Amino acid sequence: DAKTTQPNSMESNEEEPVHLPCNHSTISGTDYIHWYRQLPSQGPEYVIHGLTSNVNNRMASLAIAEDRKSSTLILHRATLRDAAVYYCILAYTGNQFYFGTGTSLTVIP
Amino acid sequence: DGGITQSPKYLFRKEGQNVTLSCEQNLNHDAMYWYRQDPGQGLRLIYYSQIVNDFQKGDIAEGYSVSREKKESFPLTVTSAQKNPTAFYLCASSPHNYGYTFGSGTRLTVV
Repeated sequence: DAKTTQPNSMESNEEEPVHLPCNHSTISGTDYIHWYRQLPSQGPEYVIHGLTSNVNNRMASLAIAEDRKSSTLILHRATLRDAAVYYCILAYTGNQFYFGTGTSLTVIP
Repeated sequence: DGGITQSPKYLFRKEGQNVTLSCEQNLNHDAMYWYRQDPGQGLRLIYYSQIVNDFQKGDIAEGYSVSREKKESFPLTVTSAQKNPTAFYLCASSPHNYGYTFGSGTRLTVV
């Protein structure tokens, strides 16, 4: 399984942007980059995904490096409800998702 | 509303007992998965199923069993052979392994 590396924890002040990094140096050409987040005692929820180009949706933006060996999830204005564990996952159709330990985001009021 | 329903939310098991966790989805997804999560850890894959009447072992299948008799249902049985079953169990589904939808989880405790 393709693996990702994320910092164990990060902090952000409320209403400031947050950049969550992910390294995936062994990514293959067919691997999509997925981001999920998990609130305490809940199942993970989808945040965003991409292949090569940067992606935006109502929740976040995904910036993918040109060589695709790293990516960054961007929360434009962190709120207290964004405090969660964020997982960066590589997957291609037909493969199972591998969840690492993710990054625990703390948002400071 | 479409989604995944896991039940019960909390489950207590005595030593030596088998227990079954329910997972039902009405999203018409082909693939379904069971994950286990221990405190402060990521999710580990127990079993997955791509189609009805077929399933494969994940990374930590020992002590667990599953069935997939209907597309909508993928129950997980935690058997007495699982020596450390206390954990948070998550069920997920996806259309052909692309984009997962998770249930709200079952917290199993051995008493």
